[in-house]
Order: sequence, then C-alpha cells, then structure tokens
Amino acid sequence: DGGITQSPKYLFRKEGQNVTLSCEQNLNHDAMYWYRQDPGQGLRLIYYSQIVNDFQKGDIAEGYSVSREKKESFPLTVTSAQKNPTAFYLCASSIASGDEQYFGPGTRLTVT
Amino acid sequence: AQSVAQPEDQVNVAEGNPLTVKCTYSVSGNPYLFWYVQYPNRGLQFLLKYITGDNLVKGSYGFEAEFNKSQTSFHLKKPSALVSDSALYFCAVREEGGATNKLIFGTGTLLAVQP
Repeated sequence: DGGITQSPKYLFRKEGQNVTLSCEQNLNHDAMYWYRQDPGQGLRLIYYSQIVNDFQKGDIAEGYSVSREKKESFPLTVTSAQKNPTAFYLCASSIASGDEQYFGPGTRLTVT
Repeated sequence: AQSVAQPEDQVNVAEGNPLTVKCTYSVSGNPYLFWYVQYPNRGLQFLLKYITGDNLVKGSYGFEAEFNKSQTSFHLKKPSALVSDSALYFCAVREEGGATNKLIFGTGTLLAVQP
C-alpha cells in the first residue's frame, strides 16, 4: 500500500447524494486507475488516466466521474446516477500505462 | 480481445505442502503477465511479473510463477505453503504493444492454507 493513500477507509452516504473518494500518490507515477471490487467479480476498471489532464473511461464508467488536475491526485466522484454504488473502491498507479500497478488500501463505500 | 481466466474459485492446501494457483490467458501478441495478492479489506500487493526471458519468474514471499506459452498458462507456485499465505490471488494480463495498455484481471482465487 505504500505511496498511495485513499481516504476515508469507510464511507457512508444516503442514496441520491454524490460522494468523492480521494486518491493521492507520491510515487511520481504518470498513470492512475480506479477499480470497483464486488464479491465474486474481481476488479472492474472504472476510469484511468495515463497523464495529467487526460483520462479515459474504463469498462463501467456510467455514474462515475474523475479529474486529473495534478499528477499526484485522481479523485473519483460517485454520482447519484450510479445504480449500485455500494462496493469496495481501489485506486492504483503505475510508472506508465501498462506497467505493474501499485494499489492503495481501498475505500469501502456504503450507500443506504 | 485479451482475457485471463482463473479456473478455481478456491484452493485448499495443508501447511508445508506445495501450492499451485492456476491462470490461463488469451492475447493475440506477446503477453505481459502479473500476479497480485489481496488480504482481507486491503489493497492488492504486486507479487511478480513476466515480460520476457526465463519462463520461471521469482517474486515476493517465496512465490514463483511458470510461464508456458504452448499452454497459455502462468500458474503461481510455492514449494511450501504457510498459513499466512491464505489470501485472495489475482492474475492479470496485458498485451505487448496493445492499444490501451490496460491490465485485465482474473476473478481471483481464494487460497486457504490449513495448519
């Protein structure tokens, strides 16, 4: 987990509210990623960014948004349009796109 | 399209015995292959990778993996399992020179080591 921080570890929200998950890295990595993990489904890619001020949709981007204004930061907003937001969210970074990724400790989001 | 499969949801092994966690992949070009481990409520930790060279790759915590091109497999192995190895293991693949350079992860294999 070293070098990548995610906060908070646990997050609770009411349905209909937007919520932003934080991801910061001090590894000087160019690429950053957001995954969603649900039991029995492995990791699914939400968004990724290969460089500052650029990002691409992953496999399940609907209902999510991101920004990459700084190299160190890649926040994820879970909007009210996301139908099933309760999940474990993992942020990762790599030196360049396609290299081995290093993961943060994760944020468990519960929406009721 | 590239893909990766982990055919076993769970592997059970006794402490001290050798362990194998299976992974097969599908890419049209040369594969880059990775293994990760996840402990409960934690992020994934990188274990090892294969890009080119020797088919037997050594990684962290005594783990190794064998790349087999003819069988399109990259099985994770350890000669003697520890109870502390119990965790969720993920295989991942990307294609050399692929357009997106994304890693594709398997669904994970839960390793349970009994004392």
